[in-house]
Amino acid sequence: QVTLKESGPALVKPTQTLTLTCTFSGFSLRTNKMRVSWIRQPPGKALEWLARIDWDDDKFYNASLKTRLTISKDTSKNQVVLTLTNLDPADTATYYCARISVTGREFDFWGQGTLVTVSS
Amino acid sequence: EIVLTQSPGTLSLSPGERATLSCRASRSVSSNYLAWYQHRPGQAPRLLIYDTSSRATGIPDRFSGSGSGTDFTLTISSLEPEDFAVYYCQQYGSSPPYSFGQGTKLEIK
Repeated sequence: QVTLKESGPALVKPTQTLTLTCTFSGFSLRTNKMRVSWIRQPPGKALEWLARIDWDDDKFYNASLKTRLTISKDTSKNQVVLTLTNLDPADTATYYCARISVTGREFDFWGQGTLVTVSS
Repeated sequence: EIVLTQSPGTLSLSPGERATLSCRASRSVSSNYLAWYQHRPGQAPRLLIYDTSSRATGIPDRFSGSGSGTDFTLTISSLEPEDFAVYYCQQYGSSPPYSFGQGTKLEIK
């Protein structure tokens, strides 16, 4: 059974750095073609893909946020970590982690998401 | 960037009725790599359809997808109470490699 769960702070201040952890089970990022992404959804807005990390440690970022994002993995802990620097109130959103299917094209399992509010 | 526009924004129907949700792309979706998700409040989003018309594992056959190029449709043949949720389409291929529509809320009439 594949599960993913996001964790991190609910409230952060502008200009700070956000660190979110995705803890998953039911698969391993050591396995060929396993990939995990982060996606966010600001209140009332569309889902936005942020970043992806692959089994071979390849990393991909949304170009519009690339300078502020870092994705990494700890395969021994079955975790993927996302950091987002220089936070702005516009970064207020529900942040989801999701496994990407073996095709690489869609997200076959998602976490429930964690709401992060950026406010002073 | 491919922009996905979903319509209608809200669809009000009754259980047993047929639902037709639309997803239109600003330009052709690569190899029809178009997926649909269901999102119920407080739950994780669920993959329904991938590659335009393939049902994901465990998805009932009342859900079907169709389309090509820039116009795609999710059809729910006969609505069950648990089908009332928000539905998103998603494309793969154009930078950014993944983008989503803004969602259609399917509500009980």
